[in-house]
Amino acid sequence: SYVLTQPPSVSVAPGQTATITCGGNNIGSKSVHWYQQKPGQAPVLVVYDDSDRPSGIPERFSGSNSGNTATLTISRVEAGDEADYFCQVRDNSNKHYVFGTGTKITVL
Amino acid sequence: EVQLVQSAAEVKTPGESLKISCQASGYSFTSNWIAWVRQMPGKGLEWMGIIYPGDSDTTYSPSFQGQVTMSDDKSISTVYLQWSSLKASDTGVYYCARVSKYHFDFWGQGTLVTVSS
Repeated sequence: SYVLTQPPSVSVAPGQTATITCGGNNIGSKSVHWYQQKPGQAPVLVVYDDSDRPSGIPERFSGSNSGNTATLTISRVEAGDEADYFCQVRDNSNKHYVFGTGTKITVL
Repeated sequence: EVQLVQSAAEVKTPGESLKISCQASGYSFTSNWIAWVRQMPGKGLEWMGIIYPGDSDTTYSPSFQGQVTMSDDKSISTVYLQWSSLKASDTGVYYCARVSKYHFDFWGQGTLVTVSS
């Protein structure tokens, strides 16, 4: 089955840029989606189709995808961005959905 | 406004059966697949399967095939997830989410299932 690998944690100072990677075999050929989950809350979609943002998501959230790595970038990080972030793809070979292992963003 | 409202938390003992629900509103219920996602305590998100209320078609993750059953009731715009015999390892939060193309655009608030003797 398809595997998505994320770093367990990333620390960033307020105002700086956080970068979260999502590694998968030839992930650049798939559409990648990203979710933010704060403690005790349901996940929220923050980026879909590699780089599109749903309505209401700040422009500070952006995404890219190429080769074997997709990336979520959070610019001008704020304390409220502290959360777990998960990438997700659909494996077209079997129509199954896969989540990444998750990355905890800590704002210093 | 799209909303997915899930049933309340449950506390069960091993071997009991359980059916939790997810009621959709604010869109055409039969037009989108709905997914179920598990989150065990302190862990990540696991895709369990999807159901298409249009024709009740289902696809299960191999990890959950045979362990749970998804169903729907179009008359009340509700999908269900059920277990016939719960195990302690089924403890976790279960989310339903609407599938839009190949991502999950709206999520329910989650149902906490606790299985303990």
